[in-house]
Amino acid sequence: AQSVTQPDIHITVSEGASLELRCNYSYGATPYLFWYVQSPGQGLQLLLKYFSGDTLVQGIKGFEAEFKRSQSSFNLRKPSVHWSDAAEYFCAVALYNNNDMRFGAGTRLTVKP
Amino acid sequence: DGGITQSPKYLFRKEGQNVTLSCEQNLNHDAMYWYRQDPGQGLRLIYYSQIVNDFQKGDIAEGYSVSREKKESFPLTVTSAQKNPTAFYLCASSTWDTRTSGDTQYFGPGTRLTVL
Repeated sequence: AQSVTQPDIHITVSEGASLELRCNYSYGATPYLFWYVQSPGQGLQLLLKYFSGDTLVQGIKGFEAEFKRSQSSFNLRKPSVHWSDAAEYFCAVALYNNNDMRFGAGTRLTVKP
Repeated sequence: DGGITQSPKYLFRKEGQNVTLSCEQNLNHDAMYWYRQDPGQGLRLIYYSQIVNDFQKGDIAEGYSVSREKKESFPLTVTSAQKNPTAFYLCASSTWDTRTSGDTQYFGPGTRLTVL
């Protein structure tokens, strides 16, 4: 069955430290891949997406993600975290179109001063 | 400003009542979606619509209904048949990007529904 896994429910990092949020998927073919961010009580904001081509994708707010086909992963990274990055992050995957998009359960990021 | 609006932001309902959540977009997107979000869970698809006057059930459509009479509007009705309607509801829209050959969803700010 198709699935998306975010192994870390909650991550705490110090401000200025680097960040990596993990996302793994189980699909028969290479899907479209997305990362969204959600602040409390708000909608989801698109950080970045991968459809094809260069496997290192740059997004907004200094985030990047790398697609690794051999590991079925699409991990999100940021070299230096800011306090404003504290939020919930969702990985999402779609095989053909957005009608079948699947979301991970989310990773909550806490940033320590 | 182009975007997706949802109203109201907070909604309270008594058991046995139907309520309708509004979703409007001025992005000229063809497709629209409704998701439900519960604490500690990802989003689950309720209904989606790819064109006007057509919509399809998602994974958890029971107890919900929708209409798509206009391209920019996709209201969701939570009926009394929905056993556990308290949740955060998110509307999204998307359109096919020929440059990237992909489809990207953009989300509204959400409506929090509480059943009293």
